[in-house]
Amino acid sequence: EAGVAQSPRYKIIEKRQSVAFWCNPISGHATLYWYQQILGQGPKLLIQFQNNGVVDDSQLPKDRFSAERLKGVDSTLKIQPAKLEDSAVYLCASSLGLAGGNQETQYFGPGTRLLVL
Amino acid sequence: GQSLEQPSEVTAVEGAIVQINCTYQTSGFYGLSWYQQHDGGAPTFLSYNALDGLEETGRFSSFLSRSDSYGYLLLQELQMKDSASYFCAVKSSYKLIFGSGTRLLVRP
Repeated sequence: EAGVAQSPRYKIIEKRQSVAFWCNPISGHATLYWYQQILGQGPKLLIQFQNNGVVDDSQLPKDRFSAERLKGVDSTLKIQPAKLEDSAVYLCASSLGLAGGNQETQYFGPGTRLLVL
Repeated sequence: GQSLEQPSEVTAVEGAIVQINCTYQTSGFYGLSWYQQHDGGAPTFLSYNALDGLEETGRFSSFLSRSDSYGYLLLQELQMKDSASYFCAVKSSYKLIFGSGTRLLVRP
C-alpha cells in the first residue's frame, strides 16, 4: 500500500512570494490533515478535512493560508504572501475513518521543508 | 486551555531502559498517543492508550493514568536506531494535539 505522498520535498522562496504544497493521501482515507512543524517543536494542526469538508481550521492563519480538498482526495495548501516565520516543515497526514471518537492512527507523509528568505 | 509537558531531551545507553513522561491538561480527552520521528523523517505511530494501564508492543510499552493526566512511553533494550524524537499527543475530540517532543539520544 502506497503511503502519503507530498510534493515538493523542499522549497525556498523570498518573503511576500506565494507557494503551494500538494498532498495525496492513502487511498480510501476519509480524513486528511495539514500540520506545520517548526524546528524543535511538535506538529501543529492547521486544517483537518473529512472527505471534502473542513472539520477544523481554527489554527489556520486565514489571511495568508488557504487549503482545499477537491473531490475528497488530493489536497493543496497555499501560502500567499509568505512571511519569514512560515519557515517550517509542512506535514500532510491521513487516517482511515471519520473524525472524532476512537483512536485513528494518522499516517504522515515525508513533508515539505519550506525556507522563507 | 490545552497543554502537554514532556522532557526536552533524554540520553541513555544502548541496551538500557528509558521512560519518557508526558503530563497533559486538556478538555474532551479521548486518549494518549505516542509518535516517533527520526531527523528529517515523518512521524510514525507507536501506541495509543484510551484506558488506564499498560499497553505493550514489542520493546515499547505505553502507560496511561487518566486520573493523574499522566502517561509515559517505556523503551526497553535500547538500540542505536531508537535515537529519535518522541511525541506524546492527546486525542481531544476529533483532533490530535502534539507535545513539543523528547529528543532521545542512545549512546553506545
